[in-house]
Amino acid sequence: GNSVTQMEGPVTLSEEAFLTINCTYTATGYPSLFWYVQYPGEGLQLLLKATKADDKGSNKGFEATYRKETTSFHLEKGSVQVSDSAVYFCALRDGGSQGNLIFGKGTKLSVKP
Amino acid sequence: GAGVSQSPSNKVTEKGKDVELRCDPISGHTALYWYRQSLGQGLEFLIYFQGNSAPDKSGLPSDRFSAERTGGSVSTLTIQRTQQEDSAVYLCASSLVRGSSYNEQFFGPGTRLTVL
Repeated sequence: GNSVTQMEGPVTLSEEAFLTINCTYTATGYPSLFWYVQYPGEGLQLLLKATKADDKGSNKGFEATYRKETTSFHLEKGSVQVSDSAVYFCALRDGGSQGNLIFGKGTKLSVKP
Repeated sequence: GAGVSQSPSNKVTEKGKDVELRCDPISGHTALYWYRQSLGQGLEFLIYFQGNSAPDKSGLPSDRFSAERTGGSVSTLTIQRTQQEDSAVYLCASSLVRGSSYNEQFFGPGTRLTVL
């Protein structure tokens, strides 16, 4: 079945450090890929998405590129801020599915000043 | 406008009791989803509604779990004879339409269920 694997956390970085959170997927067909973020005390929010191979999703300085050849969708940010501290979830929606999302287990990021 | 709301925000119950969790989706959103977020299992899909019908119930973990949606709006997730392993945060999401193109799912704040 379809699945998403993302790097285990927690990840602790200093402010202005470079961030990478790895995500790989297994799916039939051509899934759409997403990163969701959950800030402390808040609900899940869509951070960025990519719907086909080689697409790059970007938002708030975060980027992720849909790599079909490596079945990956790694999240990157060049300079993290304390306000980026949150739990990040990689997810997929299979192109032939009814729209439910399949999530990775989440990666907790803490950014220290 | 208002986002997805869920109630109660927290629920503590005793093993064996029934619980009802409520979701109010964004007005006009025809698709509604229930997910469960638990330690060790991450975020799991439970059930999907399109209008009042549930074409996909594949994620419901047992027959103790059921859900309904009325008027194409409010949904309730019912867990009968709760067990300790049901303890989790139950998340609801809604989206405008579904189809070949992705329509963003907007998530509610969740209901934290604790079964003692």
